[in-house]
Amino acid sequence: GQNIDQPTEMTATEGAIVQINCTYQTSGFNGLFWYQQHAGEAPTFLSYNVLDGLEEKGRFSSFLSRSKGYSYLLLKELQMKDSASYLCVGNNAGNMLTFGGGTRLMVKP
Amino acid sequence: DVKVTQSSRYLVKRTGEKVFLECVQDMDHENMFWYRQDPGLGLRLIYFSYDVKMKEKGDIPEGYSVSREKKERFSLILESASTNQTSMYLCASSPGVTGGIGYTFGSGTRLTVV
Repeated sequence: GQNIDQPTEMTATEGAIVQINCTYQTSGFNGLFWYQQHAGEAPTFLSYNVLDGLEEKGRFSSFLSRSKGYSYLLLKELQMKDSASYLCVGNNAGNMLTFGGGTRLMVKP
Repeated sequence: DVKVTQSSRYLVKRTGEKVFLECVQDMDHENMFWYRQDPGLGLRLIYFSYDVKMKEKGDIPEGYSVSREKKERFSLILESASTNQTSMYLCASSPGVTGGIGYTFGSGTRLTVV
């Protein structure tokens, strides 16, 4: 299984950049996901990293270092609608997911 | 648009009641999952199913059972609801071997047991 750690809450300003960090301890690591979840809604897929490095997708980027057991999600040009919880999710052997507790991001005007 | 549909968004039940939470997916996915989500604890896997009539225990199966009689439908059953089962319940489905990439979640059922 895996243990996933990420900050509980973060606050940032509209238009700014924010980085949400995630560390994991794992056996049978098979990739790492980031999901976004707005209050009262289903989690939605943002990114998937299986190799080391940065994956960029529009305003969102995700980074993985397997040797350090570390990932981050980078959000640029923050918008008010980015206020949500961001879930760091490990993919174990057998393609089973382990979820972190989520980071609640509040974007202020 | 592909969907995972949970039958109820909000439920209030009494302690000791038998509770059924229904989940239906229209993507012909092999795998279906039930999670509960509690503040600070993340999503925790209750049960999952790889195929019709097959079920596997997740991390926290105590107090729950499941049924998968048809490929598209996965039901979570609380045999005798208790207040510590008050939570948000999320259903998800995924294709057979692609794991997390294909995960699709339902909108959740917020269950309150009084």
